[in-house]
Amino acid sequence: DIVMTQSPDSLAVSLGERATINCESSQSVFYSSNNKNYLAWYQQKPGQPPKLLIYWASTRESGVPDRFSGSGSGTDFTLTISSLQAEDVAVYYCQQYYTPPTFGGGTKVEIK
Amino acid sequence: QVQLVQSGAEVKKPGASVKVSCKASGYTFTSYDINWVRQATGQGLEWMGWMNPNSGNTGYAQKFQGRVTMTRNTSISTAYMELSSLRSEDTAVYYCARGKMDELWRVSDYWGQGTLVTVSS
Repeated sequence: DIVMTQSPDSLAVSLGERATINCESSQSVFYSSNNKNYLAWYQQKPGQPPKLLIYWASTRESGVPDRFSGSGSGTDFTLTISSLQAEDVAVYYCQQYYTPPTFGGGTKVEIK
Repeated sequence: QVQLVQSGAEVKKPGASVKVSCKASGYTFTSYDINWVRQATGQGLEWMGWMNPNSGNTGYAQKFQGRVTMTRNTSISTAYMELSSLRSEDTAVYYCARGKMDELWRVSDYWGQGTLVTVSS
């Protein structure tokens, strides 16, 4: 199975500042035949199920604010929250879906 | 609106089985795969497998092969996940989630509320 490693485990960011979360896969999740990266990001708030934010590494799900963006290719990916809002406090997970899906361990985002 | 409503919390003894249901509404049940994901308390997400409600085809994570069975009843738009030979490590919240269409079947866009399964003697 592909192992997904997220960093950092947690971070504290001031309101309005940028938050950056990294995700590394143990093997490439880029499929050359369709030029796509099989990588998604989810947000999970306490007591709630996960919410899909981004798929294909950089495509925002409908209704997701544009302060959330995804980037990267191959084995290294980043989720960026450009201007942190109070409602963004949550745990964020990356997931690869190139092979049997696997998730990263999660990154907890808090307000500084 | 799309909704996935799961059955209530369960308490089981080690060695027993549990069957969790997931009732879909607001969309055509047979048009989207159902993924199952679990989460131990305070831990991360773990994908268990998928089911195609139209064909009944399934795919399970290797870790759960031989212990998990995913089925459906299309007449009531309900998916089921049964896990057998339960052990304490299976204590977790179990989620059903709808897969997006086409190549995104393993990306989940709508989730159930979760079902807590507690395994304790």
